[in-house]
Amino acid sequence: QVQLQESGPGLVKPSETLSLTCTVSGGSVSSYFWNWIRQPPGKGLEWIGYIFYTGNTNYNPSLNNRVTISVDTSKNQFSLQLSSVTAADTAVYYCARADARIRNGMDVWGQGTTVIVSS
Amino acid sequence: DVVMTQSPLSLPVTLGQPASISCRSSQSLVHSDGDTYLSWFHQRPGQSPRRLIYKVSNRDSGVPDRFSGSGSGTDFTLKISRVEAEDVGIYYCMQGTHWPLYTFGQGTKLEIK
Repeated sequence: QVQLQESGPGLVKPSETLSLTCTVSGGSVSSYFWNWIRQPPGKGLEWIGYIFYTGNTNYNPSLNNRVTISVDTSKNQFSLQLSSVTAADTAVYYCARADARIRNGMDVWGQGTTVIVSS
Repeated sequence: DVVMTQSPLSLPVTLGQPASISCRSSQSLVHSDGDTYLSWFHQRPGQSPRRLIYKVSNRDSGVPDRFSGSGSGTDFTLKISRVEAEDVGIYYCMQGTHWPLYTFGQGTKLEIK
């Protein structure tokens, strides 16, 4: 059974870059599409972007080109970088696997990690 | 961009009673392949979201049959036939038809009266 685990700093200063990693266990990152989704406090879900193991990516345009998602197949991990963060980027960040039929959305989620943007 | 609008945003329900959540999209969710990619997720307090339903009406493995999805085009509904205590939380619809951009609804909070 595939499991996902997010890791990274829980506190990031404004204007700096948020960096998170998702470790995949019980399966290989070298298949499926892998996503990042976030949830600001008390708010709904926002899809950030995805990566395929080949390196093919796509990002939510609302994040104004601040997002980079990468994959490391040797470590069975994929990562998120979000640059020039502000308080509005404070959220719980989830990594998730997209269904083999990618348009069906995410069928496996990590437990989430809280990131606070504050000086 | 496709906008997903849910109603109601808050849904108090008595245990054992039915519940219904509406989700409307600003554009048709019928894909050129003939399928409609509308999914429903449930997020219990303090937990990650879990997908309940995909392609409008297909329940994921382990999802109780008291959950059902229906709809077409731009109008969709999630129904719970008899609400149980474990059903509390927030329900989200999500479209995948217009991938590579996924869009979620704003969420509906179900609580027990």
